[in-house]
Amino acid sequence: SQKIEQNSEALNIQEGKTATLTCNYTNYSPAYLQWYRQDPGRGPVFLLLIRENEKEKRKERLKVTFDTTLKQSLFHITASQPADSATYLCALVRTGNQFYFGTGTSLTVIP
Amino acid sequence: DTGVSQDPRHKITKRGQNVTFRCDPISEHNRLYWYRQTLGQGPEFLTYFQNEAQLEKSRLLSDRFSAERPKGSFSTLEIQRTEQGDSAMYLCASRSGTGWKDTQYFGPGTRLTVL
Repeated sequence: SQKIEQNSEALNIQEGKTATLTCNYTNYSPAYLQWYRQDPGRGPVFLLLIRENEKEKRKERLKVTFDTTLKQSLFHITASQPADSATYLCALVRTGNQFYFGTGTSLTVIP
Repeated sequence: DTGVSQDPRHKITKRGQNVTFRCDPISEHNRLYWYRQTLGQGPEFLTYFQNEAQLEKSRLLSDRFSAERPKGSFSTLEIQRTEQGDSAMYLCASRSGTGWKDTQYFGPGTRLTVL
């Protein structure tokens, strides 16, 4: 079965710095990969998607990269703000129906 | 607010009781998912509906769990004879299709505590 690993340690960074979160997977390559944000007690909210034939996607202060050779995606938040503090989840989709989520990385941006 | 609602938001029950949760997806979405999320973990897939048909079920879904979507709109998830290990957040999500552009929209979840 697919195993998805994200930074196991919580990430604390200073406001204004770039946060980089990692998502590593084993076994088969997904058709696409998504990143979500989850705040405490709430459902995940979709942020960005990258397909297997894409290397990089950007949206405002967010950037996602996808390396199918390394079986890894990196999620970057530039010019981080305290409001970016949350748990960030990656999800892999192989076919259209099933999403496999990582354990999430907790990010705290310190003012 | 994503447009997906779940009820109740919190449920406390005693071991052995039955519980039922409801999910109302975005009205034009014909795909509906149920997930379970425990503390410190990501959501785990439980089951998937396309309209009223339950097309996929996870091996995690024991016989005590049943889900329905009778008219292809709202869905219910029932857990019979609850166990303490069932304590988790139960999340519902909907999407309009299965293409890569079809985003999943999650509800706020139902937090279940089994005493």
